[in-house]
Amino acid sequence: DTGVSQDPRHKITKRGQNVTFRCDPISEHNRLYWYRQTLGQGPEFLTYFQNEAQLEKSRLLSDRFSAERPKGSFSTLEIQRTEQGDSAMYLCASSPSGFEGYTFGSGTRLTVV
Amino acid sequence: KNEVEQSPQNLTAQEGEFITINCSYSVGISALHWLQQHPGGGIVSLFMLSSGKKKHGRLIATINIQEKHSSLHITASHPRDSAVYICAVGGNQFYFGTGTSLTVIP
Repeated sequence: DTGVSQDPRHKITKRGQNVTFRCDPISEHNRLYWYRQTLGQGPEFLTYFQNEAQLEKSRLLSDRFSAERPKGSFSTLEIQRTEQGDSAMYLCASSPSGFEGYTFGSGTRLTVV
Repeated sequence: KNEVEQSPQNLTAQEGEFITINCSYSVGISALHWLQQHPGGGIVSLFMLSSGKKKHGRLIATINIQEKHSSLHITASHPRDSAVYICAVGGNQFYFGTGTSLTVIP
């Protein structure tokens, strides 16, 4: 395991459908972060976990969004009743308890049609 | 108001030129990252800084905590350096600049 893995790389879905993304962090990293990046913008923070505890959530994370990290390892981000405005790159990152070694995954690109 | 401002937004350089990208921020931070993103690709962390200066190959990053400013320098630029460079600052969560799109022409 040499990096943060995200699956799928690309997802096209119809408006109103539910989608789920997965992130596998670097195995010894305690912290896991989800970000969203829309075209031409920098990533925006969504939420982060310390082990299995979800410690912070952005106001961008509406009630249609839910994230879990049940065993403190991989995490899932689910979007219910997708809207066209949800189309973006969803990025996952992980880090040890400090900030050295902060590593991004390659992202999942979501297109809602 | 953006917590992180980068300049310039776009930059075109001739191969071999010395390049500087600037980042100013308004929030208190524990760390600053310089990230590289290629078109359609994922993000790679180039540097994490909390003080001073770091060098990796042709890349140099500096940070001035008092002035809340960081710079990324690329010496002897090459077309493969063409990418978007993003500054990210924060602690428990990170705030990102909108990026500087760099194109290096052969």
